[in-house]
Amino acid sequence: NAGVTQTPKFQVLKTGQSMTLQCAQDMNHEYMSWYRQDPGMGLRLIHYSVGAGITDQGEVPNGYNVSRSTTEDFPLRLLSAAPSQTSVYFCASSYSGVVGGGYTFGSGTRLTVV
Amino acid sequence: DQQVKQNSPSLSVQEGRISILNCDYTNSMFDYFLWYKKYPAEGPTFLISISSIKDKNEDGRFTVFLNKSAKHLSLHIVPSQPGDSAVYFCAASERGGGGATNKLIFGTGTLLAVQP
Repeated sequence: NAGVTQTPKFQVLKTGQSMTLQCAQDMNHEYMSWYRQDPGMGLRLIHYSVGAGITDQGEVPNGYNVSRSTTEDFPLRLLSAAPSQTSVYFCASSYSGVVGGGYTFGSGTRLTVV
Repeated sequence: DQQVKQNSPSLSVQEGRISILNCDYTNSMFDYFLWYKKYPAEGPTFLISISSIKDKNEDGRFTVFLNKSAKHLSLHIVPSQPGDSAVYFCAASERGGGGATNKLIFGTGTLLAVQP
């Protein structure tokens, strides 16, 4: 049971480049989300999805795009990378409506935009 | 506007003593609260949670207390162990139309260092 898998683990981008951060889970969780972690800012929600075909914005969605074509995958796209998007990105998943058990997080993608 | 606040960036305690991590929130619609633990280079892991209908929840060495009137919750770890050294995040879930939602708002985290 792999849980939540994020790829790549590290990435360096040039300003203006685009890329996709991959996230896959094998627990049949309906709910998936993307967070970014920055020093002094904690974890901030970028986008989330309550099921295949359904996505919505979080606290800091600008500059990011998501889609959810399958239950398992929830990729995060950076359309035109900016230095302000340098961060550690975490994907998380859970069963819908079961908040008490918490999320399962991936191990993160460390992104640097130069 | 930070809806979930952890005002102490760091905390240092001696092994065997109690660690108390604090969290304040501003949104009265939050109805579920969780604590996560994070080691460097790893994703956060779920630790313990509490519903707004309770004021205490205990799991082994970890106890979470909720004071709704003060919009304050705290995590007590006793006794503290060196392996507890990590960043601790407080998180809250907002009540949705159908009940609790999955969308979590996190605080900024507190770095706990347990000294041997």
